[in-house]
Amino acid sequence: AQTVTQSQPEMSVQEAETVTLSCTYDTSENNYYLFWYKQPPSRQMILVIRQEAYKQQNATENRFSVNFQKAAKSFSLKISDSQLGDTAMYFCAFMKAGGTSYGKLTFGQGTILTVHP
Amino acid sequence: NAGVMQNPRHLVRRRGQEARLRCSPMKGHSHVYWYRQLPEEGLKFMVYLQKENIIDESGMPKERFSAEFPKEGPSILRIQQVVRGDSAAYFCASSPSFGTGESGIQYFGAGTRLSVL
Repeated sequence: AQTVTQSQPEMSVQEAETVTLSCTYDTSENNYYLFWYKQPPSRQMILVIRQEAYKQQNATENRFSVNFQKAAKSFSLKISDSQLGDTAMYFCAFMKAGGTSYGKLTFGQGTILTVHP
Repeated sequence: NAGVMQNPRHLVRRRGQEARLRCSPMKGHSHVYWYRQLPEEGLKFMVYLQKENIIDESGMPKERFSAEFPKEGPSILRIQQVVRGDSAAYFCASSPSFGTGESGIQYFGAGTRLSVL
């Protein structure tokens, strides 16, 4: 079974600065997807970024980028130029890319990020 | 293109009653997933359905819980004889068919918050 661990329960950052959220995972699979989802106070789950494990290049989406280290099973999220609207709970998630568990997202415990003005 | 629609947003039930949670996937999506989020925790996978088929129900409790995704109409998560421990937020997600370039991506609804008195 896959596990996802987020070791930072809470983080805070000043507006316009950069923050990195950590995530590690455990799997014996070689082909999989990794995701970061954001859950603001509205509780809506919003996809931030997706990484395909077979791609060595780190995914980026505007101010959001990841550092994917497959051998170390590490998948951190960097938020640049933090904005007040980035305040939310951030979840790291894993999904096998095929087989019987395809479609099943396994989530970490979450990191609460607060952006201060 | 409307997103994933869940209703009701809030549902209050007394112990022993039945709860029915509805989910309409995004237009063109044929895969539906249900997750449960207990307070201060990450989301836990419950079930993965395609039209008229249950693909993976490995996260569903053995008793009182059932899910369906009929040929016509929304997906339904049904909880019979609710107990206080069923109080949680229930999220539905949908995804397009495979091979569309969005492989693995799930789009979430706003959730249904179930409170059992």
